[in-house]
Amino acid sequence: GAVVSQHPSRVICKSGTSVKIECRSLDFQATTMFWYRQFPKKSLMLMATSNEGSKATYEQGVEKDKFLINHASLTLSTLTVTSAHPEDSSFYICSAPPRVGGGTYNEQFFGPGTRLTVL
Amino acid sequence: AQSVTQPDIHITVSEGASLELRCNYSYGATPYLFWYVQSPGQGLQLLLKYFSGDTLVQGIKGFEAEFKRSQSSFNLRKPSVHWSDAAEYFCAVGARNKLTFGTGTQLKVEL
Repeated sequence: GAVVSQHPSRVICKSGTSVKIECRSLDFQATTMFWYRQFPKKSLMLMATSNEGSKATYEQGVEKDKFLINHASLTLSTLTVTSAHPEDSSFYICSAPPRVGGGTYNEQFFGPGTRLTVL
Repeated sequence: AQSVTQPDIHITVSEGASLELRCNYSYGATPYLFWYVQSPGQGLQLLLKYFSGDTLVQGIKGFEAEFKRSQSSFNLRKPSVHWSDAAEYFCAVGARNKLTFGTGTQLKVEL
């Protein structure tokens, strides 16, 4: 099956700094990737849809300037948490649909997640 | 918009006992349905999926799920639970190119 990787798996940073999380599709191309946030003991909440070569689409209530998304290539999307604060601490998970363009995005392959802790 | 309800927040079963995790969805048409499992600190692993056809779906690790349109349900079952099945289980609906997750069911397995 399709493999999605994330880096780093765990990051601790000081309040006010920025943190970049990478999401890669290892054996397939993904024009679209998704970023989710999961609070402790909670479900996954879709934050934004990352589109290769164009702007990301953010869900209602997600700050675009706080969570910067760049989909630089067909295999890489990055999420940058800018000026991180303790309330940004969370588990961030990315996903990618298995087909490039024209197919349904209803099925997705998930990365292993990145645990962000902001001190 | 679609929604998913997992009524059971926690379930505890004895090893070797049968398991059923409930999932109800709300969507105007037949959606894509998924069950995922998440171990602590890990990403999501797909257990099984339903797109169309046979309403009884077989998945990995001995899991199965049955789609019941009349009840808008997609319950997950396993005839005999193993201690390694202890994890968080999420039901998800795929529609309009988005996945919507339920709140999850935490499964504990007593030895």
